[in-house]
Amino acid sequence: ETGVTQTPRHLVMGMTNKKSLKCEQHLGHNAMYWYKQSAKKPLELMFVYSLEERVENNSVPSRFSPECPNSSHLFLHLHTLQPEDSALYLCASSQEAGQSPNSPLHFGNGTRLTVT
Amino acid sequence: QKEVEQDPGPLSVPEGAIVSLNCTYSNSAFQYFMWYRQYSRKGPELLMYTYSSGNKEDGRFTAQVDKSSKYISLFIRDSQPSDSATYLCAMSDPAGNTPLVFGKGTRLSVIA
Repeated sequence: ETGVTQTPRHLVMGMTNKKSLKCEQHLGHNAMYWYKQSAKKPLELMFVYSLEERVENNSVPSRFSPECPNSSHLFLHLHTLQPEDSALYLCASSQEAGQSPNSPLHFGNGTRLTVT
Repeated sequence: QKEVEQDPGPLSVPEGAIVSLNCTYSNSAFQYFMWYRQYSRKGPELLMYTYSSGNKEDGRFTAQVDKSSKYISLFIRDSQPSDSATYLCAMSDPAGNTPLVFGKGTRLSVIA
């Protein structure tokens, strides 16, 4: 399997549930990202990991908790979410954390999250 | 003023038309300019990029940057139904080592 794989593809959860999103990259990249994509809004960077260390946390609420156990895997743990957190959550990887054209982002197909 | 402005559309054109997609930006430090294409139910994929000013052509696609106007464009010639997707512009300031800043994306439909 190649590229960036995200599971599950769809997730419906109540506001009191705890769930996790999983991302795996098979590209040998050193940096991994979580983005949030909402309708009519730009992609929002949530977290950046470089060589398994968090290098950026874009003022994301604590109800979102990332975990990067190794350079190939990234998780987003969710708890006590709000309906406005419903969105497409995209995982991406790049060779380095700089996001230049020489190190472009490779995205997974996302997890469509609905919070009821 | 938002850092990157992009008309979300939707834009609907007949097959074979020339499509022009545009973004404006406010940060004069941006040097890298990219276009990502996102098909329905898929993640974005890098389509083209340019560095600083000028044009870049790749098949039916041409990316243009006008730094004096802070304006970038993506042209699609002889558009095909397979070009139907959302196109996102993205840009960054390499000196500041800042993350990519994305536009909202323009949804394009090419009608056969």
